Amino acid sequence: DAKTTQPNSMESNEEEPVHLPCNHSTISGTDYIHWYRQLPSQGPEYVIHGLTSNVNNRMASLAIAEDRKSSTLILHRATLRDAAVYYCILYSGAGSYQLTFGKGTKLSVIP
Amino acid sequence: DAGVIQSPRHEVTEMGQEVTLRCKPISGHNSLFWYRQTMMRGLELLIYFNNNVPIDDSGMPEDRFSAKMPNASFSTLKIQPSEPRDSAVYFCASSQRGRGVDEQFFGPGTRLTVL
Repeated sequence: DAKTTQPNSMESNEEEPVHLPCNHSTISGTDYIHWYRQLPSQGPEYVIHGLTSNVNNRMASLAIAEDRKSSTLILHRATLRDAAVYYCILYSGAGSYQLTFGKGTKLSVIP
Repeated sequence: DAGVIQSPRHEVTEMGQEVTLRCKPISGHNSLFWYRQTMMRGLELLIYFNNNVPIDDSGMPEDRFSAKMPNASFSTLKIQPSEPRDSAVYFCASSQRGRGVDEQFFGPGTRLTVL
């Protein structure tokens, strides 16, 4: 499986934008980029996914580099509820079903 | 929609006892996943069902672990006999079609402690 690299931890002030980076230099042409997050004592929660173009939804935006070797999850205004571990995961488009979680980035939000 | 339902939420048992974890996937979803999460190993996929049939159980640690899905609305993960190293949080997740691009919906997890 293609691997992802994320910083272990990041901090943000409440109501400030947060940019969570992910490197995936060995990504293949059929790999989707997915982001999940896990709040304390909860199961993982889907955030967003994309293939080539930037994506927006009610939770976040996903900016994908032109060469697809990196991506950035953008939380436009961090709230205390956004404090979680954020996982960047590559999914093969070729019939794969498996989510392979790495260590993720632990985001702390400072009031 | 109630989401994925797991029971019990917490289980404390003694080594050697049988443990059964339960999961009710989201109605209409035809794929179900069991995961285990520990501090040391993170989140690991144990087994994947599609249309109630086990497709991949390569993540099941050993023969002490077994999983069943008798119908589309219920699955169990059984550990017999349990050991202290089985202590972990066990998550069940479901998705509509089981394709990689499909969003997986996770339950709240069962925290298992084996003494």
